[in-house]
Amino acid sequence: EAQVTQNPRYLITVTGKKLTVTCSQNMNHEYMSWYRQDPGLGLRQIYYSMNVEVTDKGDVPEGYKVSRKEKRNFPLILESPSPNQTSLYFCASSLLWTSGRASTDTQYFGPGTRLTVL
Amino acid sequence: GIQVEQSPPDLILQEGANSTLRCNFSDSVNNLQWFHQNPWGQLINLFYIPSGTKQNGRLSATTVATERYSLLYISSSQTTDSGVYFCAVKDNRKLIWGLGTSLAVNP
Repeated sequence: EAQVTQNPRYLITVTGKKLTVTCSQNMNHEYMSWYRQDPGLGLRQIYYSMNVEVTDKGDVPEGYKVSRKEKRNFPLILESPSPNQTSLYFCASSLLWTSGRASTDTQYFGPGTRLTVL
Repeated sequence: GIQVEQSPPDLILQEGANSTLRCNFSDSVNNLQWFHQNPWGQLINLFYIPSGTKQNGRLSATTVATERYSLLYISSSQTTDSGVYFCAVKDNRKLIWGLGTSLAVNP
């Protein structure tokens, strides 16, 4: 089954304790992205990756790191989490990004990770 | 950058009713997508529709790119249609999201 998976789905942690949220897709997609969703603010992009070893900042990258060593995986790393990073996080992927066609640019989302930082 | 506005922000329907959700965007786009976020938080892609009309069951969408808006039609609504509907447009290397329309369908 074609899917984007995220782990963990729920996480409660404390300020300053490093954590990693994993994201994996089995569709051989080149483009992957991380978003956070907050009430009243909608979805905002954190980081994205156009391909292996190619990553770039989105709108709200502060406090986050990513890596793209393999095509299928795009982990989100919080080196020193703070309470303002409490949010619902989504990983997304698409086959390509710049072709302008539904078959390649349609975004597929993981189930989300609800993170609480105390 | 591109601005995306959705209306109405909230909508309550009785089961069986029809509805139209609107998405306005401030600049020309070549990538517009509609998503449904169910009450459990899952985001599902409904349509990729930069222009024209598409239909999928009880849902259909129309984008008039020259007038910078898109409409999502829900016919014969069901309780399972409840959730938040988002439109998102492509801006360079990311999607720009509207704030969504929160739909509640009552039995």
